[in-house]
Amino acid sequence: NAGVTQTPKFQVLKTGQSMTLQCAQDMNHNSMYWYRQDPGMGLRLIYYSASEGTTDKGEVPNGYNVSRLNKREFSLRLESAAPSQTSVYFCASSEVIGTGGSYEQYFGPGTRLTVT
Amino acid sequence: DQQVKQNSPSLSVQEGRISILNCDYTNSMFDYFLWYKKYPAEGPTFLISISSIKDKNEDGRFTVFLNKSAKHLSLHIVPSQPGDSAVYFCAASDYGNKLVFGAGTILRVKS
Repeated sequence: NAGVTQTPKFQVLKTGQSMTLQCAQDMNHNSMYWYRQDPGMGLRLIYYSASEGTTDKGEVPNGYNVSRLNKREFSLRLESAAPSQTSVYFCASSEVIGTGGSYEQYFGPGTRLTVT
Repeated sequence: DQQVKQNSPSLSVQEGRISILNCDYTNSMFDYFLWYKKYPAEGPTFLISISSIKDKNEDGRFTVFLNKSAKHLSLHIVPSQPGDSAVYFCAASDYGNKLVFGAGTILRVKS
């Protein structure tokens, strides 16, 4: 039982390049999330998917797109990377959203992205 | 506008003593609060949570207190251990929606 896995662990991009961050969970969770963590800013939600087939914007969605490929996988795409997107990106999953119950989210190990 | 605030960027405590981490929130619709712990180069891990219908929840060395009237919660760690040194994030949710995180507090436990 691996929990939440993310690939790659590290990535360096040049301004304007594109890339996709991959995330998968094996806990049969309905909801998945993408966050970025910047110094002094905590974790900020980029996009989330309450259930398979749905995606919604979070607090900082500009410059990103997402795909909920199936119940297990949720990818984050940077179409044209900018230095402001240098950050650590975390994927998370949870059992329920909007219906009560446990709100605990389980996080992956993160992807450290540098855009030069 | 930060809805969840952790006003202390860092805290240093002697091993064996109590660590108290604080968190304030502004949104009165928040009904569930969580604390996460994060080590360098790892993802955050869930530590303890509390529902707004309670004012205290305890799990081993960790206790979370909620003061709804003051919109304040705190995490107490007793006794503190060197392995507790990490970044602690406070998070809040309103009726099962997205979590809103604070900026985090770096805890250093000195041996």
